[in-house]
Amino acid sequence: AQKVTQAQTEISVVEKEDVTLDCVYETRDTTYYLFWYKQPPSGELVFLIRRNSFDEQNEISGRYSWNFQKSTSSFNFTITASQVVDSAVYFCALSEVYNTDKLIFGTGTRLQVFP
Amino acid sequence: EADIYQTPRYLVIGTGKKITLECSQTMGHDKMYWYQQDPGMELHLIHYSYGVNSTEKGDLSSESTVSRIRTEHFPLTLESARPSHTSQYLCASRLTAYEQYFGPGTRLTVT
Repeated sequence: AQKVTQAQTEISVVEKEDVTLDCVYETRDTTYYLFWYKQPPSGELVFLIRRNSFDEQNEISGRYSWNFQKSTSSFNFTITASQVVDSAVYFCALSEVYNTDKLIFGTGTRLQVFP
Repeated sequence: EADIYQTPRYLVIGTGKKITLECSQTMGHDKMYWYQQDPGMELHLIHYSYGVNSTEKGDLSSESTVSRIRTEHFPLTLESARPSHTSQYLCASRLTAYEQYFGPGTRLTVT
């Protein structure tokens, strides 16, 4: 069965701290996609990154970086030097290549960055 | 950046009223989705569409209905709103097998 687990319900940090959001997934398929979305207080979900199962290369985009490890079925997200504007709920999601209409979301991690 | 719009952004309505939540996208995406997000943050797929005249029910049973008469428009209707329908409703669309793009959401409160 497919499942995405975000064990951290809420994380609080002080500005400029680094923070890692964990994501562990389960799937029987060998081909799948992983995503991260950000939901700020305004409510919309903002797409951050997509990674396919054949590409284990880590990715960095500014202060954001993602660590994909198939061996541990994890797709963790790190924010370096966090800022107050990073405060949001972050969702990890999974879709399988033969059922791409179904986006399986984790329960989200609420990140609060205090000044 | 995705161009997907939802109206209204906020709606407070009494029990028994009929409501329609609007969702439009200008990207020409064939596939569109409705999610319901409960206060605990979890997202549930309630409807989706592959294209014009196509609608499917999602994982979470919902008393709402949807229609897809035009590619760009995917409205959701509740014939008789109840307090249990209080939630945030998010519309999304996508073109290929990749990421879905989301609208700003409608926060519905039924009193």
